[in-house]
Amino acid sequence: GQSLEQPSEVTAVEGAIVQINCTYQTSGFYGLSWYQQHDGGAPTFLSYNALDGLEETGRFSSFLSRSDSYGYLLLQELQMKDSASYFCAARGNAGNMLTFGGGTRLMVKP
Amino acid sequence: NAGVTQTPKFQVLKTGQSMTLQCAQDMNHNSMYWYRQDPGMGLRLIYYSASEGTTDKGEVPNGYNVSRLNKREFSLRLESAAPSQTSVYFCASSEGGQGRAQHFGDGTRLSIL
Repeated sequence: GQSLEQPSEVTAVEGAIVQINCTYQTSGFYGLSWYQQHDGGAPTFLSYNALDGLEETGRFSSFLSRSDSYGYLLLQELQMKDSASYFCAARGNAGNMLTFGGGTRLMVKP
Repeated sequence: NAGVTQTPKFQVLKTGQSMTLQCAQDMNHNSMYWYRQDPGMGLRLIYYSASEGTTDKGEVPNGYNVSRLNKREFSLRLESAAPSQTSVYFCASSEGGQGRAQHFGDGTRLSIL
């Protein structure tokens, strides 16, 4: 089985940097994805890490350490529109089955 | 470009009723998935289809059945709805494995009384 842990809620100020952590326990592990979901909306894909290290996509970066079973999503230059829930998801087999964490609700304040 | 389309968007059922949730994608993706999301929680995989003609159970398959009708369509059926199945149901698709992005539909909000 698989389980992923992430903080339930994070608050930050507009323009700041925030890091959302995710630790995982899996019987098999191929990579870690991140998804964003606004209230009442559908999840949208942000990033995927298969190898250790940092992946950067604009204001968002994602990091993975396989030896520590740990990853994080880094959001820079926070904007009000970044207020949403963020989910880490582990890919546990050679297919694309994902196990999702419980989500971190990010509130960006002016 | 529609992406992943789910119907209906909202549905209220009585306990014991049956219904089928429909999902269609126009991105020529091989893999399709059904998730449920309960309030304040992450998504849990119900069933998935790695390719046309194959389906497999996910984390929470009990009480559900699926049909991969063709490459575009993947339906989810509740044979005898129970209040515990009240949830938001999301369909998703992806090109295949290797961590490719899953593209989600807008969801079906299902209430069972």
